[in-house]
Amino acid sequence: ETGVTQSPTHLIKTRGQQVTLRCSSQSGHNTVSWYQQALGQGPQFIFQYYREEENGRGNFPPRFSGLQFPNYSSELNVNALELDDSALYLCASSPSGRSTGELFFGEGSRLTVL
Amino acid sequence: GENVEQHPSTLSVQEGDSAVIKCTYSDSASNYFPWYKQELGKRPQLIIDIRSNVGEKKDQRIAVTLNKTAKHFSLHITETQPEDSAVYFCAASRQAGNMLTFGGGTRLMVKP
Repeated sequence: ETGVTQSPTHLIKTRGQQVTLRCSSQSGHNTVSWYQQALGQGPQFIFQYYREEENGRGNFPPRFSGLQFPNYSSELNVNALELDDSALYLCASSPSGRSTGELFFGEGSRLTVL
Repeated sequence: GENVEQHPSTLSVQEGDSAVIKCTYSDSASNYFPWYKQELGKRPQLIIDIRSNVGEKKDQRIAVTLNKTAKHFSLHITETQPEDSAVYFCAASRQAGNMLTFGGGTRLMVKP
């Protein structure tokens, strides 16, 4: 069974640029959520996708957007990057929209905005 | 929205001692409370969770207690071992697996 994989693992961008982060969910999981983890802090919920539809969103501006594909993989797009967007972006998958509860996290994509 | 506070932010114990981490939450509708362990440079991993219809849950050396009236829950680790050293996060949500609100984390250091 393949776990959650994310790419790229590290990337550096400059202010104002755009970035796309990718996530492949664990086999059999149709729900994907994205979290932002700033250094030394707990993960913050960005949004969740279930069967290609966004079904929950945290307190993030519209320049944070996402997609889920028919194979349940997902993308996180961030436009007009700001310095405060520097963080570890974690993708997590779970078996269904109303699951047992456990989220299976990927290793994350570490974004640095200069 | 939900707000989860976690204390202490750092905790140092001697190997074999017990460790307790406490969290409070604000949303009375929250009914799912997981605990995740994150080792340095690794992904968060679920270690135990509890739902609001249960007051306590144990899994070997780990236990979690929940007080819904007071809106707080705690993680207890007994007989700590060096491999327990990590950052622990509590979280809360209205629905299991959905829109978790995490606490700020506790860095646990177990000294051999």
